[in-house]
Amino acid sequence: GQQVMQIPQYQHVQEGEDFTTYCNSSTTLSNIQWYKQRPGGHPVFLIQLVKSGEVKKQKRLTFQFGEAKKNSSLHITATQTTDVGTYFCAGRRDSWGKLQFGAGTQVVVTP
Amino acid sequence: DTAVSQTPKYLVTQMGNDKSIKCEQNLGHDTMYWYKQDSKKFLKIMFSYNNKELIINETVPNRFSPKSPDKAHLNLHINSLELGDSAVYFCASSQRGGRTGTNYGYTFGSGTRLTVV
Repeated sequence: GQQVMQIPQYQHVQEGEDFTTYCNSSTTLSNIQWYKQRPGGHPVFLIQLVKSGEVKKQKRLTFQFGEAKKNSSLHITATQTTDVGTYFCAGRRDSWGKLQFGAGTQVVVTP
Repeated sequence: DTAVSQTPKYLVTQMGNDKSIKCEQNLGHDTMYWYKQDSKKFLKIMFSYNNKELIINETVPNRFSPKSPDKAHLNLHINSLELGDSAVYFCASSQRGGRTGTNYGYTFGSGTRLTVV
């Protein structure tokens, strides 16, 4: 069955540095979504990518969808303490399929 | 406020008890979900309803029974609670659009932390 894998599982970042988290699927995805969950909070939808090779930016966050639609990445520049949390990617194989979440990348920011 | 609200926020109960978690959304979404998040933060889909119809029913013990009286409400009843049921349960909703099945982001509730002792 479809599996969505995320690496790294944990990311310790110095404030001001950049980092990237990666999401890989064993099958081609129809679309991919990214969520952020603050400690003690609930997942919050960030963005959806649909097209092959798509790149979207939200301030310091850059999201990419691979050409083969089997992988995605989230790059954060100039990390701030407000970026602390767990970032999940979630993909579905077809428009009506279930959304499969990755295990998440837990980000800790050191001032 | 427009939101997905679930109650209770915390639930501590003894093994063997039966409990319910309620969820309501006022976003006008047509699809609702129950997710279980374990201690390692893994989010696992349990059930999904589209316009009151069950469309996803994952491999979940039949002690868990969802009920959707209307498309704005999705409740979860759990019988004979076990220690392994301890987790955070999230309700979520989304809009599945039109014939193409265009998907939109999920809106999650704030979660119910269930502790079985």
